[in-house]
Amino acid sequence: ETGVTQTPRHLVMGMTNKKSLKCEQHLGHNAMYWYKQSAKKPLELMFVYNFKEQTENNSVPSRFSPECPNSSHLFLHLHTLQPEDSALYLCASSQERGGETQYFGPGTRLLVL
Amino acid sequence: AQKITQTQPGMFVQEKEAVTLDCTYDTSDPSYGLFWYKQPSSGEMIFLIYQGSYDQQNATEGRYSLNFQKARKSANLVISASQLGDSAMYFCAMGGGYQKVTFGTGTKLQVIP
Repeated sequence: ETGVTQTPRHLVMGMTNKKSLKCEQHLGHNAMYWYKQSAKKPLELMFVYNFKEQTENNSVPSRFSPECPNSSHLFLHLHTLQPEDSALYLCASSQERGGETQYFGPGTRLLVL
Repeated sequence: AQKITQTQPGMFVQEKEAVTLDCTYDTSDPSYGLFWYKQPSSGEMIFLIYQGSYDQQNATEGRYSLNFQKARKSANLVISASQLGDSAMYFCAMGGGYQKVTFGTGTKLQVIP
């Protein structure tokens, strides 16, 4: 596989469920990102990891829990979500954290019922 | 703080014609980068083109070119010879140093046969 992959591509979950989103990058990058894209809203940066360390958390509710076991993998653990959390969740990577070109995965479309 | 403004929520262009998507920015960083991404209905954000603030020449990538006017703080994307597959959302973004990448609200381009 090349580039940035995300699984699952689509997810429907109830408010009491626990699920995880997975992101994997095959680009040899050191920084990884989670973004949320809601309808008619700008792209929202959620978390940034640089060399496996979390360097940014943009006031994201604790029902979203990121995990970065190594520079190639990034997870977003979801629990007790709300319907307003329904969105497209995009993962991206870049060589290092900062203003560098980010390469995105295909996203996970999440629907919370 | 960085700011990106895309004033065109939607644009139409005839197939085979050229189209310009507007983007203005604001930053106090002397060094920054400007990016354009394409997002088809499938959701994936596809990196198109990059312009560094110190680059002397406008960036070009195939049918894409970036009209960089530093004094006006604009970074318009020009797509030549539009194709039906160019129909998508287009996002302008900027980053600089250790500043996170900031995205605009996007322009929806529709190519008419």
